[in-house]
Amino acid sequence: SQQGEEDPQALSIQEGENATMNCSYKTSINNLQWYRQNSGRGLVHLILIRSNEREKHSGRLRVTLDTSKKSSSLLITASRAADTASYFCATDAKGGNTGKLIFGQGTTLQVKP
Amino acid sequence: NAGVMQNPRHLVRRRGQEARLRCSPMKGHSHVYWYRQLPEEGLKFMVYLQKENIIDESGMPKERFSAEFPKEGPSILRIQQVVRGDSAAYFCASSESRENQPQHFGDGTRLSIL
Repeated sequence: SQQGEEDPQALSIQEGENATMNCSYKTSINNLQWYRQNSGRGLVHLILIRSNEREKHSGRLRVTLDTSKKSSSLLITASRAADTASYFCATDAKGGNTGKLIFGQGTTLQVKP
Repeated sequence: NAGVMQNPRHLVRRRGQEARLRCSPMKGHSHVYWYRQLPEEGLKFMVYLQKENIIDESGMPKERFSAEFPKEGPSILRIQQVVRGDSAAYFCASSESRENQPQHFGDGTRLSIL
């Protein structure tokens, strides 16, 4: 069944607030990646976290990974209107030898100015 | 340093025609992936190729769909005898290697079937 289920499906916040998105998956993984997609555009890679890592930061982004719970979270701090987009987690299944990614349905984030 | 280039951005075909989608990976990347995205959904893996080889086509429909990545030139996703259900956005991604490397995506080809 589908890996990488995001929660919530949609999130609306005010500029300056923090946004937290969660992702759950079902099988063991090599890594988990977060992507952003603006309407009508391709996906932009945000962060890759490996299965032996617990937390990673990049600018205003913070990703955590809990392999015991098979879950990850993406935190965007001090959000801006430009952060409005859909956010997807994707997993690279352990034991797979192709690197193909399994995507969730995504969280649609709206940041109001 | 150009990213992943896909063309055309938009493609309109009538039922029964053929659609050809092209993808040029980032410079230095020899791993190419094709994904399909239906409206309001996440991406679904279709096929993974390295130069001249199909490594994993587990996500490709058994009929009408084919992909190639020749020694020279872009990767091509080909859909023969298109049907309405083929309408979707098709994304190509490339990476340096297949393990623990980010995949870099193009802006996609939006295929509409009349």
